[in-house]
Amino acid sequence: GDSVTQMEGPVTLSEEAFLTINCTYTATGYPSLFWYVQYPGEGLQLLLKATKADDKGSNKGFEATYRKETTSFHLEKGSVQVSDSAVYFCALSVNGGTSYGKLTFGQGTILTVHP
Amino acid sequence: GAGVSQSPSNKVTEKGKDVELRCDPISGHTALYWYRQSLGQGLEFLIYFQGNSAPDKSGLPSDRFSAERTGGSVSTLTIQRTQQEDSAVYLCASSLVPTGLSNQPQHFGDGTRLSIL
Repeated sequence: GDSVTQMEGPVTLSEEAFLTINCTYTATGYPSLFWYVQYPGEGLQLLLKATKADDKGSNKGFEATYRKETTSFHLEKGSVQVSDSAVYFCALSVNGGTSYGKLTFGQGTILTVHP
Repeated sequence: GAGVSQSPSNKVTEKGKDVELRCDPISGHTALYWYRQSLGQGLEFLIYFQGNSAPDKSGLPSDRFSAERTGGSVSTLTIQRTQQEDSAVYLCASSLVPTGLSNQPQHFGDGTRLSIL
């Protein structure tokens, strides 16, 4: 079946540090890939997405590149802020056929950024 | 415009009681998904609606769980004879058309936190 594996957390960084959260996947078809973010006390929000190999999704300074050869979609940000403290979820959706696009999520990575 | 709305935001009930959780999707969104977020299992898919039909119920954990959608809009997730392992945050998401057919992203509500005593 489909699955997503994220790096173990929690991750603690100082403000302006570089962030990488690793995400790898296995999928029976050709998936679309997503990063969702959950800020404290809020619901899940789409952060970025990529729908085919070598696509780069980007938003709010975050980037992730769809790497089919390594089945990865690592999240990066060059300089984190305290306001980036949240839980980050990598997810996939397999397209076409009888799939209806249900999301398969990784376990989530808690990011805490200190001033 | 309004986002996905879920009610109640919190629900505490005794083991064995039935509960109903409500989801109001974004207006015009035809696809609706229910997920469950729990400490032990992470985020899991429960059921998918296209219009009022549920072509994918594969994630419902037992026959105590059921869901319906009416008017292509509001959906209700019902849990009968609740058990302590049902304690979780239940999330609803909607998309304009099914994510699998169009790569349309899913928009999530804030969830209902269900606690079974």
